Amino acid sequence: EADIYQTPRYLVIGTGKKITLECSQTMGHDKMYWYQQDPGMELHLIHYSYGVNSTEKGDLSSESTVSRIRTEHFPLTLESARPSHTSQYLCASRAFGGGETQYFGPGTRLLVL
Amino acid sequence: SQQGEEDPQALSIQEGENATMNCSYKTSINNLQWYRQNSGRGLVHLILIRSNEREKHSGRLRVTLDTSKKSSSLLITASRAADTASYFCATVADNDMRFGAGTRLTVKP
Repeated sequence: EADIYQTPRYLVIGTGKKITLECSQTMGHDKMYWYQQDPGMELHLIHYSYGVNSTEKGDLSSESTVSRIRTEHFPLTLESARPSHTSQYLCASRAFGGGETQYFGPGTRLLVL
Repeated sequence: SQQGEEDPQALSIQEGENATMNCSYKTSINNLQWYRQNSGRGLVHLILIRSNEREKHSGRLRVTLDTSKKSSSLLITASRAADTASYFCATVADNDMRFGAGTRLTVKP
């Protein structure tokens, strides 16, 4: 069982609200990732980090922002939620080095009305 | 952008049958991994095969890798209803991991 946690698991929110999706891991992994995934569809990388104070945008353009102040914590913030942000958001982490597997959190299902 | 492409996109079989999913990719890799995702959940790692390996087994799972054809296959033998899930291949090259679009497997009891 992976030691990576996401809260909340489900969130219903109105348009224009600011939200923060939390992700924490206790494995000491340097690399952390955020993916956006519509049900049954492919994963789209939206942000990643290779360590504290390191954040990069992924392949899919996103209006969200991330921060990495502590190794174990990688929150994702939407300043103004829109219905187009409705999706599942998956957080993942991986140890440094190409042979390691990636561990995923359970996901946050977001519905913006 | 994704590196791997799974085939088929969806697969429906009866319990007890074998399920085979394929993954093709474009560039050289260090290793290839298969993940499983139950509906509404995160992905769970199943098996990793390195670029210098050709076949690997884990329980009812058998993975093959053909680097000359840039393709991999995942075989699930004697499938069970509980195997119903989406299966993703992920390629790793230069510390960069890329996921395919997934194969949705349905195993009917």
